[in-house]
Amino acid sequence: QQPVQSPQAVILREGEDAVINCSSSKALYSVHWYRQKHGEAPVFLMILLKGGEQKGHEKISASFNEKKQQSSLYLTASQLSYSGTYFCGTLRGGSEKLVFGKGTKLTVNP
Amino acid sequence: NAGVTQTPKFQVLKTGQSMTLQCAQDMNHEYMSWYRQDPGMGLRLIHYSVGAGITDQGEVPNGYNVSRSTTEDFPLRLLSAAPSQTSVYFCASSYVDRGFGYTFGSGTRLTVV
Repeated sequence: QQPVQSPQAVILREGEDAVINCSSSKALYSVHWYRQKHGEAPVFLMILLKGGEQKGHEKISASFNEKKQQSSLYLTASQLSYSGTYFCGTLRGGSEKLVFGKGTKLTVNP
Repeated sequence: NAGVTQTPKFQVLKTGQSMTLQCAQDMNHEYMSWYRQDPGMGLRLIHYSVGAGITDQGEVPNGYNVSRSTTEDFPLRLLSAAPSQTSVYFCASSYVDRGFGYTFGSGTRLTVV
């Protein structure tokens, strides 16, 4: 079952902050975050594991609320290069199927 | 180190034709998968494999076949192409330890007319 991302789209000015949310109705083992620029492949940003471990990007942070099965991606002091579509992917315990949300389109303007 | 290589990059097929999308990785990843991406739908999992000789279905497997005879290669076969299979296809790989992110190939844009 696809996780639900919000918002669907957000427009920022350079230097502003943004939060992208991802929620699932199922118990999760991990949450992945990816960024995809137009016409390119998705690029791995971060993984959050059940139990609190995080691995990934230095300048982007995220949280994983295991009780609520929700994750949030925090983009602070946004740069033009942050523009793209952000996808969360969720992995349930005992499953090898990484299921993605429909994406959040982020546009950062000068 | 090439990462994940997909061929071809573009393909046009006629309805009813068959073809194979190729995916190869050189990172010794046990896990490989195929996704399709359609506007507004995100990435949907077609098939995946946790190692040579082991494959399983994803969310949208109908009309597609896979096999995994080596660790490096994971081809996707369209048996009888339909216009509904017009999409961008991505291959992704990772370590089977679920604490790692996926590396995606550059994609194959397929049009079925």
